[in-house]
Amino acid sequence: EVHLVESGGGLVQPGRSLRLSCAASEFTFDDYAMHWVRQAPGKGLEWVSGISWNSGSIGYADSVKGRFTISRDNAKNSLYLQMNSLRAEDTALYYCSKDMGGYGDTGAFDYWGQGTLVTVSS
Amino acid sequence: QSALTQPASVSGSPGQSITISCTGTSSDVGGYKYVSWYQQHPGKAPKLMIYDVSYRPSGVSNRFSGSKSGNTASLTISGLQAEDEADYYCSSYTSSRILVVFGGGTKLTVL
Repeated sequence: EVHLVESGGGLVQPGRSLRLSCAASEFTFDDYAMHWVRQAPGKGLEWVSGISWNSGSIGYADSVKGRFTISRDNAKNSLYLQMNSLRAEDTALYYCSKDMGGYGDTGAFDYWGQGTLVTVSS
Repeated sequence: QSALTQPASVSGSPGQSITISCTGTSSDVGGYKYVSWYQQHPGKAPKLMIYDVSYRPSGVSNRFSGSKSGNTASLTISGLQAEDEADYYCSSYTSSRILVVFGGGTKLTVL
């Protein structure tokens, strides 16, 4: 069974940085695109960023462009999200999710982690 | 990047059928075959129910079906059951680069 485990969340002050990680197992990680999706408390899902299997294609939501950086290490079966200049509105549960395809163009996420909570507050 | 438009809530009685709409534009829903639907129970991660407009992943009940007409996609749940009560989200691919947009979500209540 595919397993995705996020880590790195926590309480951080506005303007500071945080790095999220997602450890993947039980599938061929370097065959698939991966994404970060967040959900603010009591709100809906928001796609944050996605990366193709070989890191050749990357996309960001306008709300995080220029502040967040997605990356992956296929040798370590891991996905990352470097979050800089954090704002109160970035407070959310951050999910790591697996794309059904390799290039991130399916828009279909067939496996999700349980999420890691990021709280931005002074 | 505007969110896709979904009704805030829908309801139905056990055994009935309901349909949830998801309206976008020709730049997302209307322009691609990549519309997906997710079910989310409280406190749980989302679960993929429909992908590529109308395909069901293995293990998803055939009571769930998807379709699309123009810029509007739809999720139909037939034979409503109590366990179908959840939030439902649509999503669509929306660019030649990796870019995905979600709908605002619909709360399904089984009466």
